Amino acid sequence: DAGVIQSPRHEVTEMGQEVTLRCKPISGHNSLFWYRQTMMRGLELLIYFNNNVPIDDSGMPEDRFSAKMPNASFSTLKIQPSEPRDSAVYFCASSFVGGPQPQHFGDGTRLSIL
Amino acid sequence: EDQVTQSPEALRLQEGESSSLNCSYTVSGLRGLFWYRQDPGKGPEFLFTLYSAGEEKEKERLKATLTKKESFLHITAPKPEDSATYLCAVQRNRDDKIIFGKGTRLHILP
Repeated sequence: DAGVIQSPRHEVTEMGQEVTLRCKPISGHNSLFWYRQTMMRGLELLIYFNNNVPIDDSGMPEDRFSAKMPNASFSTLKIQPSEPRDSAVYFCASSFVGGPQPQHFGDGTRLSIL
Repeated sequence: EDQVTQSPEALRLQEGESSSLNCSYTVSGLRGLFWYRQDPGKGPEFLFTLYSAGEEKEKERLKATLTKKESFLHITAPKPEDSATYLCAVQRNRDDKIIFGKGTRLHILP
């Protein structure tokens, strides 16, 4: 079975550029989560969707960050303009809504902003 | 405030030397507690879900237990391939958010 698929795996870009991260959740899952992981802060939830609808974006650090889920099989996280402090590993995870359901993670996008 | 604290931050063991990792949590209404394993360059991989105090789950050399305030991940006779970061997380009753601890980096020496 295909797991959560993220692209690109690595992204290096200069400060001020727009960055778009992509995620394909596990087929049939109806919750999708975007996380950021750093050594200092660990895994932080940025935003999550249930049935393609954003439920909680309180973890999105600034207006420079935005996320969309146009359909059940695709989501994007966009940073515009990017800054060096955005450098981190970004993970996407999916699960079923409700119940104590574990989230299943992709292998992440390692983002470096120069 | 809901939070998850893991200890120790890092642990080095000799192969075959059993030990336990701790996860202390404070949450207003626990829906479930999860353990994950994360290898370098990979996303967290789900290991166990625990739902209520007293519950235990086992998988190979790993056993997870749960009380009302903490969970333990016991590692029996570990092997070098058990080296990884182990993450604990809790899910609250009131929404679908999962709150992660910062993890324990486990290194098993051959």
